[in-house]
Amino acid sequence: EMRLVESGGGLVQAGGSLRLSCAASGLTFVDYAMTWVRQVPGKGLQWVSSISGGGISTYYADFVKGRFTISRDNSKNTLYLEMNSLRGDDTGAYYCAKPLAIAGHSYYYYGMDVWGRGTAVTVSS
Amino acid sequence: QSALTQPASVSGSPGQSITISCTGTSSDIGASNYVSWYQQHPGKAPKLLIFDVSNRPSGVSDRFSGSKSGNTASLTISGLQAEDESDYYCSSYRSSSSLVVFGGGTKLTVL
Repeated sequence: EMRLVESGGGLVQAGGSLRLSCAASGLTFVDYAMTWVRQVPGKGLQWVSSISGGGISTYYADFVKGRFTISRDNSKNTLYLEMNSLRGDDTGAYYCAKPLAIAGHSYYYYGMDVWGRGTAVTVSS
Repeated sequence: QSALTQPASVSGSPGQSITISCTGTSSDIGASNYVSWYQQHPGKAPKLLIFDVSNRPSGVSDRFSGSKSGNTASLTISGLQAEDESDYYCSSYRSSSSLVVFGGGTKLTVL
């Protein structure tokens, strides 16, 4: 069974930093692009960032560009999100998610079929 | 304000069919076959219902179907059941800027 488990969330002051991790199991991690999606309390889903399977290509939403960095360690089957210059509107649940593989390819814009349970980030001002 | 526009809420009675719309632009839904739909129950992670506009992952009921016309995608749920009461989100690839965008979500109430 494919499983994703996020960790690293918590309470941080505005301007501070956090590093989220997502541990993957039950899949050949390097074969899949990976994505972070967040959900502001009581609001909808927001795509945050994605990374290709090999880690070479990265993509960011405009509202985190220059502040967040996505990376992965395929030897540890782990995805990361380094978050700097945090703001109050970064508060929310952060999910890591795996896109489908279709015809042997997994691109970040494919539908995401495996999700973690999320880790909560609270930024206080 | 979300990039894709969904109705805030829809409702229907058990056994009925409902359709949730998702309106974007010619840069995302209108230009992409990578439209997905997700179901999210309170406190849970989203679940993929539809990918590539109209395809269902294995294990998803055939009561769920997707389509697209122009800049608008739609999710239809037929034979409504109480367990379908949930939040539903659409997403699309925006190739012009290499982004993924979500709709604001639609709360489905089964009366």
